[in-house]
Amino acid sequence: GENVEQHPSTLSVQEGDSAVIKCTYSDSASNYFPWYKQELGKRPQLIIDIRSNVGEKKDQRIAVTLNKTAKHFSLHITETQPEDSAVYFCAASASNSGYALNFGKGTSLLVTP
Amino acid sequence: NAGVTQTPKFQVLKTGQSMTLQCAQDMNHEYMSWYRQDPGMGLRLIHYSVGAGITDQGEVPNGYNVSRSTTEDFPLRLLSAAPSQTSVYFCASSYFGGRRGPGGGELFFGEGSRLTVL
Repeated sequence: GENVEQHPSTLSVQEGDSAVIKCTYSDSASNYFPWYKQELGKRPQLIIDIRSNVGEKKDQRIAVTLNKTAKHFSLHITETQPEDSAVYFCAASASNSGYALNFGKGTSLLVTP
Repeated sequence: NAGVTQTPKFQVLKTGQSMTLQCAQDMNHEYMSWYRQDPGMGLRLIHYSVGAGITDQGEVPNGYNVSRSTTEDFPLRLLSAAPSQTSVYFCASSYFGGRRGPGGGELFFGEGSRLTVL
């Protein structure tokens, strides 16, 4: 099945700095790559996603890039704020099912004032 | 519109006991799934369903059963609980189809169910 690797597992940045989280996937047929944010004790929520026919997508301070050839995608958060502190998960669709998502192990982001 | 509702929120079981985690959604989503979340392991897919009467296994299906008799409900059954099944369980649903395009769409998660097996 699909294997999604996520790095780093923890990331600490100062407020205002940028944060980058990287993921790689193994299934070249995967075509959907979402990112979820999970605050402590809460449910995961979608923050941004990208499909395989697009190389980059931006939404205010958040951007995602996709390199299909290298099979990796990244989350970029600019001008980080303390409320960005959370666990972030990348995911990739499993080609054999079409809609099942396999998640990375998560990155715990801490933004210090 | 309640979204995805999971019950119970907390449960303690003894080894060998059985139980069912309930999941219901009121968004008319075709796709429903169950994940377990363990520290350092991320979210691992247990079972999923693409419509009523259709279920399939995910990454970690052993020890769990599911059924999908209606569009709204997708219960997860533990037939004989083991300590290794201590975890937080999330049910999630999604609409898919032409409007969302290929490869799925946003997963809407329930609040989670924390299960402890002694």
